[in-house]
Amino acid sequence: DIQMSQSPSSLSASVGDRVTITCRASQSISNYLNWYQQRPGKPPKLLIYAASSLQSGVPSRFGGSGSGTDFTLTVNSLQPEDFATYYCQQSYGPPFTFGPGTKVDIK
Amino acid sequence: EVQLRESGGGLVQPGGSLRLSCVGSGFTFSSHWMYWVRQAPGEGLVWVSHIDTDGSTTKYADSVKGRFTISRDNDKNTVYLQMNSLRPDDTAVYYCARGARGFDPWGQGTLVTVSS
Repeated sequence: DIQMSQSPSSLSASVGDRVTITCRASQSISNYLNWYQQRPGKPPKLLIYAASSLQSGVPSRFGGSGSGTDFTLTVNSLQPEDFATYYCQQSYGPPFTFGPGTKVDIK
Repeated sequence: EVQLRESGGGLVQPGGSLRLSCVGSGFTFSSHWMYWVRQAPGEGLVWVSHIDTDGSTTKYADSVKGRFTISRDNDKNTVYLQMNSLRPDDTAVYYCARGARGFDPWGQGTLVTVSS
Protein backbone atom coordinates (compact mmCIF):
# COMPACT_ATOMS: atom_id res chain seq x y z
CA ASP A 1 0.00 0.00 0.00
CA ILE A 2 1.09 3.57 -0.69
CA GLN A 3 1.68 5.57 2.49
CA MET A 4 1.11 9.31 2.57
CA SER A 5 2.78 11.72 4.96
CA GLN A 6 2.23 15.43 5.49
CA SER A 7 4.21 18.17 7.16
CA PRO A 8 3.74 20.01 9.30
CA SER A 9 0.99 18.31 11.29
CA SER A 10 -0.19 21.73 12.42
CA LEU A 11 0.72 25.35 11.96
CA SER A 12 -0.36 28.73 13.23
CA ALA A 13 -0.72 31.58 10.79
CA SER A 14 -2.25 35.01 10.46
CA VAL A 15 -4.73 36.38 7.97
CA GLY A 16 -2.78 37.45 4.90
CA ASP A 17 0.05 34.96 5.40
CA ARG A 18 1.27 32.57 2.76
CA VAL A 19 1.08 28.95 3.92
CA THR A 20 2.79 25.90 2.44
CA ILE A 21 1.94 22.29 3.26
CA THR A 22 3.93 19.38 1.92
CA CYS A 23 2.81 15.85 1.17
CA ARG A 24 5.03 12.87 0.40
CA ALA A 25 4.10 9.50 -1.06
CA SER A 26 5.98 6.31 -0.21
CA GLN A 27 6.35 5.57 -3.94
CA SER A 28 5.89 7.47 -7.15
CA ILE A 29 2.26 8.33 -7.87
CA SER A 30 2.89 10.51 -10.94
CA ASN A 31 0.40 13.37 -10.52
CA TYR A 32 -2.38 11.30 -8.95
CA LEU A 33 -2.60 13.57 -5.94
CA ASN A 34 -5.58 15.48 -4.58
CA TRP A 35 -5.95 18.07 -1.82
CA TYR A 36 -9.00 18.53 0.41
CA GLN A 37 -10.03 21.10 2.97
CA GLN A 38 -12.15 20.12 5.95
CA ARG A 39 -13.69 22.62 8.32
CA PRO A 40 -14.91 21.41 11.74
CA GLY A 41 -18.16 19.48 11.53
CA LYS A 42 -18.20 19.60 7.74
CA PRO A 43 -17.36 17.10 5.01
CA PRO A 44 -14.12 17.45 3.09
CA LYS A 45 -14.07 19.70 0.04
CA LEU A 46 -11.93 19.04 -3.00
CA LEU A 47 -9.50 21.89 -3.67
CA ILE A 48 -6.91 20.53 -6.07
CA TYR A 49 -6.91 17.43 -8.28
CA ALA A 50 -4.16 15.92 -10.40
CA ALA A 51 -1.59 17.67 -8.22
CA SER A 52 -2.03 21.13 -9.69
CA SER A 53 -5.51 21.55 -11.20
CA LEU A 54 -7.80 23.91 -9.33
CA GLN A 55 -11.27 22.51 -8.74
CA SER A 56 -14.07 24.67 -10.13
CA GLY A 57 -15.24 27.29 -7.66
CA VAL A 58 -12.10 27.16 -5.50
CA PRO A 59 -10.39 30.54 -5.01
CA SER A 60 -7.23 31.11 -7.01
CA ARG A 61 -5.20 31.74 -3.83
CA PHE A 62 -5.00 27.93 -3.55
CA GLY A 63 -2.34 26.24 -5.63
CA GLY A 64 -0.77 22.81 -5.94
CA SER A 65 2.47 21.54 -7.38
CA GLY A 66 4.65 18.47 -7.56
CA SER A 67 4.86 15.06 -9.14
CA GLY A 68 6.30 11.68 -8.35
CA THR A 69 6.58 11.54 -4.58
CA ASP A 70 6.70 15.16 -3.40
CA PHE A 71 3.82 17.60 -3.51
CA THR A 72 2.96 21.02 -2.15
CA LEU A 73 -0.24 22.91 -1.36
CA THR A 74 0.17 26.67 -1.14
CA VAL A 75 -2.39 29.14 0.14
CA ASN A 76 -1.59 32.72 -0.72
CA SER A 77 -3.00 35.49 1.46
CA LEU A 78 -4.74 33.28 4.02
CA GLN A 79 -8.35 34.25 4.67
CA PRO A 80 -10.42 33.63 7.84
CA GLU A 81 -12.39 30.85 6.13
CA ASP A 82 -9.14 29.01 5.30
CA PHE A 83 -8.50 27.99 8.89
CA ALA A 84 -9.20 24.29 8.60
CA THR A 85 -7.53 20.90 8.23
CA TYR A 86 -5.99 19.97 4.90
CA TYR A 87 -5.54 16.43 3.61
CA CYS A 88 -3.66 15.09 0.64
CA GLN A 89 -4.81 11.87 -1.02
CA GLN A 90 -3.30 9.60 -3.62
CA SER A 91 -5.62 8.36 -6.36
CA TYR A 92 -2.96 6.23 -8.07
CA GLY A 93 -4.53 3.00 -6.91
CA PRO A 94 -6.54 1.41 -4.08
CA PRO A 95 -6.40 1.75 -1.19
CA PHE A 96 -6.75 5.46 -1.93
CA THR A 97 -4.83 6.59 1.10
CA PHE A 98 -5.04 10.00 2.70
CA GLY A 99 -2.33 11.85 4.52
CA PRO A 100 -2.77 12.39 8.27
CA GLY A 101 -3.82 16.01 7.80
CA THR A 102 -2.41 19.46 8.53
CA LYS A 103 -4.38 21.70 10.85
CA VAL A 104 -4.09 25.40 10.12
CA ASP A 105 -5.16 27.59 12.99
CA ILE A 106 -5.08 31.25 13.86
CA LYS A 107 -1.91 32.66 15.37
CA GLU B 1 -26.86 21.25 -7.86
CA VAL B 2 -24.87 18.08 -7.37
CA GLN B 3 -25.74 16.56 -4.01
CA LEU B 4 -25.20 13.40 -2.01
CA ARG B 5 -27.17 12.48 1.07
CA GLU B 6 -26.31 9.59 3.38
CA SER B 7 -28.64 7.85 5.80
CA GLY B 8 -28.81 4.71 7.88
CA GLY B 9 -26.31 5.45 10.64
CA GLY B 10 -27.00 4.93 14.30
CA LEU B 11 -26.06 3.06 17.45
CA VAL B 12 -25.45 -0.66 17.08
CA GLN B 13 -24.02 -3.31 19.40
CA PRO B 14 -20.76 -5.07 18.59
CA GLY B 15 -21.42 -7.87 16.15
CA GLY B 16 -24.47 -6.13 14.74
CA SER B 17 -25.28 -4.89 11.25
CA LEU B 18 -26.26 -1.66 9.55
CA ARG B 19 -26.94 -0.66 5.97
CA LEU B 20 -25.96 2.81 4.89
CA SER B 21 -27.52 4.47 1.87
CA CYS B 22 -26.36 7.40 -0.20
CA VAL B 23 -28.67 9.07 -2.70
CA GLY B 24 -27.25 11.23 -5.45
CA SER B 25 -28.99 14.04 -7.30
CA GLY B 26 -28.14 16.68 -9.84
CA PHE B 27 -25.87 14.47 -11.95
CA THR B 28 -25.90 11.29 -14.02
CA PHE B 29 -25.42 8.85 -11.16
CA SER B 30 -24.79 5.83 -13.38
CA SER B 31 -21.73 7.50 -14.97
CA HIS B 32 -19.70 7.80 -11.81
CA TRP B 33 -17.74 5.51 -9.55
CA MET B 34 -18.86 5.95 -5.96
CA TYR B 35 -16.81 5.84 -2.78
CA TRP B 36 -17.28 5.39 0.95
CA VAL B 37 -14.82 7.10 3.30
CA ARG B 38 -14.94 7.10 7.08
CA GLN B 39 -13.60 9.34 9.81
CA ALA B 40 -13.35 8.17 13.40
CA PRO B 41 -13.92 10.87 16.06
CA GLY B 42 -10.99 13.27 16.05
CA GLU B 43 -9.15 11.26 13.44
CA GLY B 44 -8.30 11.49 9.75
CA LEU B 45 -9.96 10.22 6.60
CA VAL B 46 -9.87 6.56 5.61
CA TRP B 47 -11.03 5.17 2.28
CA VAL B 48 -13.37 2.23 2.92
CA SER B 49 -14.67 1.00 -0.41
CA HIS B 50 -15.58 1.89 -3.96
CA ILE B 51 -17.74 0.60 -6.76
CA ASP B 52 -17.57 1.17 -10.49
CA THR B 53 -20.40 2.47 -12.64
CA ASP B 54 -22.31 -0.78 -13.14
CA GLY B 55 -21.33 -2.51 -9.91
CA SER B 56 -19.11 -5.10 -11.57
CA THR B 57 -15.96 -3.98 -9.76
CA THR B 58 -15.71 -3.35 -6.04
CA LYS B 59 -12.75 -2.81 -3.72
CA TYR B 60 -12.43 -2.74 0.06
CA ALA B 61 -9.98 -1.64 2.68
CA ASP B 62 -8.36 -4.60 4.44
CA SER B 63 -9.95 -3.51 7.71
CA VAL B 64 -13.48 -4.12 6.37
CA LYS B 65 -12.93 -6.85 3.79
CA GLY B 66 -15.27 -9.77 4.35
CA ARG B 67 -17.54 -7.73 6.63
CA PHE B 68 -18.71 -4.82 4.45
CA THR B 69 -20.38 -5.00 1.04
CA ILE B 70 -20.83 -2.10 -1.33
CA SER B 71 -23.56 -2.13 -3.96
CA ARG B 72 -25.54 0.29 -6.07
CA ASP B 73 -28.94 0.70 -7.71
CA ASN B 74 -28.59 3.10 -10.62
CA ASP B 75 -32.35 3.25 -11.10
CA LYS B 76 -32.62 4.69 -7.59
CA ASN B 77 -29.43 6.79 -7.82
CA THR B 78 -28.29 5.08 -4.65
CA VAL B 79 -25.13 3.42 -3.37
CA TYR B 80 -25.23 1.20 -0.31
CA LEU B 81 -22.79 -0.03 2.28
CA GLN B 82 -23.88 -3.16 4.10
CA MET B 83 -21.89 -3.44 7.29
CA ASN B 84 -21.87 -6.73 9.20
CA SER B 85 -19.95 -7.98 12.24
CA LEU B 86 -19.46 -4.42 13.38
CA ARG B 87 -16.70 -3.68 15.86
CA PRO B 88 -16.12 -0.70 18.17
CA ASP B 89 -13.30 0.48 15.91
CA ASP B 90 -15.84 0.87 13.08
CA THR B 91 -17.26 3.83 14.98
CA ALA B 92 -16.99 6.81 12.62
CA VAL B 93 -18.77 9.26 10.42
CA TYR B 94 -19.26 7.57 7.08
CA TYR B 95 -19.19 9.75 3.98
CA CYS B 96 -20.10 8.86 0.45
CA ALA B 97 -18.37 10.69 -2.36
CA ARG B 98 -18.64 10.84 -6.10
CA GLY B 99 -15.67 9.83 -8.15
CA ALA B 100 -14.69 12.49 -10.59
CA ARG B 101 -11.34 14.22 -10.73
CA GLY B 102 -10.78 13.46 -7.11
CA PHE B 103 -13.64 12.74 -4.73
CA ASP B 104 -16.24 15.43 -5.32
CA PRO B 105 -18.65 16.20 -3.85
CA TRP B 106 -19.04 14.53 -0.48
CA GLY B 107 -22.23 13.96 1.44
CA GLN B 108 -22.74 15.38 4.92
CA GLY B 109 -21.96 12.03 6.48
CA THR B 110 -23.82 9.63 8.77
CA LEU B 111 -22.56 8.65 12.20
CA VAL B 112 -22.16 4.99 13.06
CA THR B 113 -21.54 4.18 16.71
CA VAL B 114 -20.67 0.62 17.71
CA SER B 115 -21.02 0.19 21.43
CA SER B 116 -22.68 -2.03 24.00
